[in-house]
Amino acid sequence: AQSVTQPDIHITVSEGASLELRCNYSYGATPYLFWYVQSPGQGLQLLLKYFSGDTLVQGIKGFEAEFKRSQSSFNLRKPSVHWSDAAEYFCAVVTGGGNKLTFGTGTQLKVEL
Amino acid sequence: EPEVTQTPSHQVTQMGQEVILRCVPISNHLYFYWYRQILGQKVEFLVSFYNNEISEKSEIFDDQFSVERPDGSNFTLKIRSTKLEDSAMYFCASSDRGATYGYTFGSGTRLTVV
Repeated sequence: AQSVTQPDIHITVSEGASLELRCNYSYGATPYLFWYVQSPGQGLQLLLKYFSGDTLVQGIKGFEAEFKRSQSSFNLRKPSVHWSDAAEYFCAVVTGGGNKLTFGTGTQLKVEL
Repeated sequence: EPEVTQTPSHQVTQMGQEVILRCVPISNHLYFYWYRQILGQKVEFLVSFYNNEISEKSEIFDDQFSVERPDGSNFTLKIRSTKLEDSAMYFCASSDRGATYGYTFGSGTRLTVV
């Protein structure tokens, strides 16, 4: 079954440092992949999505992600993290014949000032 | 920017009681969804709804759950007889072209069953 795995449960970075959050997918064909962010007590906000085409995808808030078929990965990156980026980040893939998203377990990002 | 609105933001109910969680999707969206997130766990799919009927549901979505679009603007999730394990954050989402194009999520309803 299609799924995504986020190997890192918690990540701590210093403000201004670069960030990479890992996501690996399991899917036979080209997947539809997403990254969402959830701030404390808030809903899920879409950061970016990949359907096809250019493998480097730009999103909101300065985030980008690169689709690498050879590694079955869709890692999220940001060159310089801000304290306001502290949140939980979820990778997701469309499954079930296109009707639903299956989420990873999330990565909690802490930003040290 | 258009939003998905959920009410209430918090609800506390006694075990065995019925609850209705309400959602107002984005007005031109056609696909509607409910997800839930038990504290500390991943976000789980419950049900998708299109053209006034359920298009897919998970094994979590048993006979205690139902969804309805009563008036063309609201989208509701009803839990008939709540259990302690139904305590979770429930998210409504909508999309104009289906899951493959991404959703807009609401900010959620925190349901606590006591």
